[in-house]
Amino acid sequence: GENVEQHPSTLSVQEGDSAVIKCTYSDSASNYFPWYKQELGKGPQLIIDIRSNVGEKKDQRIAVTLNKTAKHFSLHITETQPEDSAVYFCAAWEQAGTALIFGKGTTLSVSS
Amino acid sequence: GAVVSQHPSWVICKSGTSVKIECRSLDFQATTMFWYRQFPKQSLMLMATSNEGSKATYEQGVEKDKFLINHASLTLSTLTVTSAHPEDSSFYICSAETSGGSRQYFGPGTRLTVT
Repeated sequence: GENVEQHPSTLSVQEGDSAVIKCTYSDSASNYFPWYKQELGKGPQLIIDIRSNVGEKKDQRIAVTLNKTAKHFSLHITETQPEDSAVYFCAAWEQAGTALIFGKGTTLSVSS
Repeated sequence: GAVVSQHPSWVICKSGTSVKIECRSLDFQATTMFWYRQFPKQSLMLMATSNEGSKATYEQGVEKDKFLINHASLTLSTLTVTSAHPEDSSFYICSAETSGGSRQYFGPGTRLTVT
């Protein structure tokens, strides 16, 4: 089955710096890779996603890159703000009706 | 769009009682919904996959007679924790898959405390 590894587990940056979180997956059949942001006591919020036919996707300060050959994808947050502080989860998905396979999460702390 | 609600947001119950948690997709139909459990500072643990009109598929180690799942319509799935015990205290989160499996959106979660 699919296995998703996520690094780092914790990340501390200064406000305005960039943050990068990396994930690797094992199943080449996976074709959809979402990123979720989870604030304390809340459910995960979808912030960006990418499908296997695309190498990069950007939405304002957030971008995701995908390298299918190497089986890894990354989340890039530029100009970080204190409100970006949260736990971020990457996930991989293969087909409709199946569950996402999550990484273990990255706790991002942005200090002002 | 793509909003998923859960009710209640938090519940406290006594040991031995049952608790029902509702998960609703508010602005889309969800053929498939998923139930997760999350312990503090950990990732989401999939409990079961719920398909409308059919029996849920439970993950290994999840007691189907204890965690009853019903997916009666394309917008509603319920999780009932039966004969709750303190070790069932946790954060329960549902997600709903949009048609065609394009995306999954999560509910805000339900904090269950069993005393």
